[in-house]
Formats: sequence, C-alpha cells, structure tokens
Amino acid sequence: GQQVMQIPQYQHVQEGEDFTTYCNSSTTLSNIQWYKQRPGGHPVFLIQLVKSGEVKKQKRLTFQFGEAKKNSSLHITATQTTDVGTYFCALARDNQFYFGTGTSLTVIP
Amino acid sequence: DAGVIQSPRHEVTEMGQEVTLRCKPISGHDYLFWYRQTMMRGLELLIYFNNNVPIDDSGMPEDRFSAKMPNASFSTLKIQPSEPRDSAVYFCATNPGFGGEQFFGPGTRLTVL
Repeated sequence: GQQVMQIPQYQHVQEGEDFTTYCNSSTTLSNIQWYKQRPGGHPVFLIQLVKSGEVKKQKRLTFQFGEAKKNSSLHITATQTTDVGTYFCALARDNQFYFGTGTSLTVIP
Repeated sequence: DAGVIQSPRHEVTEMGQEVTLRCKPISGHDYLFWYRQTMMRGLELLIYFNNNVPIDDSGMPEDRFSAKMPNASFSTLKIQPSEPRDSAVYFCATNPGFGGEQFFGPGTRLTVL
C-alpha cells in the first residue's frame, strides 16, 4: 500500500504565483527523490536529498529535507506555464521503491 | 544512448487476450523496474530486476502478470489473460544502482476492452 503521502493532491495557481508541495513519511528516510511528470509524459528525475535539513536549489525550484528526515518539500517561485505537471516524491526503503501520491500543478496564464 | 525504449507505445486489445510489453534498458544499468500508473492507484512498482534476476515481485497484482529478463538488454511484462481493469500506462525504468536516479521509458498505454 501507499506509504508516502503528498499534499496537496491538486493545485491551481496563477502564473507568477508560488507553489509548494509536501511529502510526508511515517518513518525516517535515508534519502528522498523528486520527479516531474508532464501531462502525457513520463517521470523525470529532478533531485535527490540525503542529509538532514538539506536545502538544494535549481533555478526557481527549492528542495528541502526535514531535520528529522521524515518530510520533504518542493517550492517553485514565480511559476511559469512550463511548470505544469505532476510532481512526485520517491524513496527507497527495505529494498522497495515507493512513489508518493503526487501533486498535480496547473498554471493559469 | 537512446534512453529506455519501450514498445509498443499504445496497445488496444480485447479482454482475454495476451499482452506483451517490452523494454530495452539503458546499457550498463543493472536495475530494471516495471511500474503501472493509473488515476486511482498512482504509480505502483510491480517488479524489479538486478542483473537480470527478479528481486522483488510483491507488487505484481496476480498470477496473470509475469515478467522476464532473459538478458541485460531486454525485459518483458506479460498479462495473460488481460482484463479491462489492467488498462493503465506501464513504465519501464532503469538505473545503475538501487536507490539512485531512475530513468523512465516513454511508457506503454494499454487499453483492454
């Protein structure tokens, strides 16, 4: 069953607004990954976080790993229409690989 | 490298028919994963291989599903007999080491009528 929850499930924003999706686990994680899937496309790897409290940036995207390594967030500053898609967190645990439930982002021009 | 290659890209079949999905991994990637994506259940891991050996198939829904990896360059996911509830997008993904970045293929969109 699903062990990785993401919120919100859907988000509609006006172009230029910020966007954040959260990923929560009930157990401590060794690392976490983020993927983006464009409509009709396949998941594409964005980043991997490993250290407690780690913050990484990719242009307008900011990724954080919680201090307790049980949660993570992806923040997009000043969204653009090219940011449209579903954002997934993902993790490996007990020789299994789990994807989060995903957050679908719609950007209104 | 052309990336992960999947075929066919689209498959429409009738209930009861056998369906075979194919995947060619990126050369040198020791791990190969098969996923199923639906609106209801999201992205689910079905099975994965390491060096052509199935490691965990606990995600395979039932005996109608089987997967093989006869060599490092090829894997198949077979559904026999297919049912309408099998309709989904099936992705193959590979990576050089478990837990690292996964490279996804374009997927096969399966429709079972």
